Amino acid sequence: DQQVKQNSPSLSVQEGRISILNCDYTNSMFDYFLWYKKYPAEGPTFLISISSIKDKNEDGRFTVFLNKSAKHLSLHIVPSQPGDSAVYFCAASGGFQKLVFGTGTRLLVSP
Amino acid sequence: GAVVSQHPSWVICKSGTSVKIECRSLDFQATTMFWYRQFPKQSLMLMATSNEGSKATYEQGVEKDKFLINHASLTLSTLTVTSAHPEDSSFYICSANGGGETYEQYFGPGTRLTVT
Repeated sequence: DQQVKQNSPSLSVQEGRISILNCDYTNSMFDYFLWYKKYPAEGPTFLISISSIKDKNEDGRFTVFLNKSAKHLSLHIVPSQPGDSAVYFCAASGGFQKLVFGTGTRLLVSP
Repeated sequence: GAVVSQHPSWVICKSGTSVKIECRSLDFQATTMFWYRQFPKQSLMLMATSNEGSKATYEQGVEKDKFLINHASLTLSTLTVTSAHPEDSSFYICSANGGGETYEQYFGPGTRLTVT
């Protein structure tokens, strides 16, 4: 039972354009959401998070949007840069500090 | 800040042997550490939650006698894969909670285990 889903396994974007990565969840008890970036053979790196009491959080080029009614969140990267090419995981927490990860979306930003 | 290290970064072992992986929080104290495994092109799957000074809490389906976890101090947790088999070959990643109310976890670089 995949509680956190990233339905797009890959996404290709041109440098300078916007990258939009999507994530859906099924568990209404989740109250905190995070996005991580991961390179092969490395551990994930924290990017940005959002609490369920908010619907938007922004940090530089990264913005996370949360739609609780739709159980959907998205990560916007603008402008996209080649160095953003990596696998992006969304994660959700319903307490006890445990995270449930999505399956990941591979982002390729071409020059 | 919030740096987590893992050792070794990769290990090859023979079937039937045991392998220990260390996870350290270098610049903060971690009351709670987490162990994940990741198969190729799949998500990170939580194996267990490691609490300093107490027994680890294992996720459903994870054999606690096979994956021994020890959290002896606020900066060190170890995962020992006992009697390893080829199907245990995977990428093992630890993380540590930053403390307080934050849900953010800081991840180690991972350990690639190959069992021959």
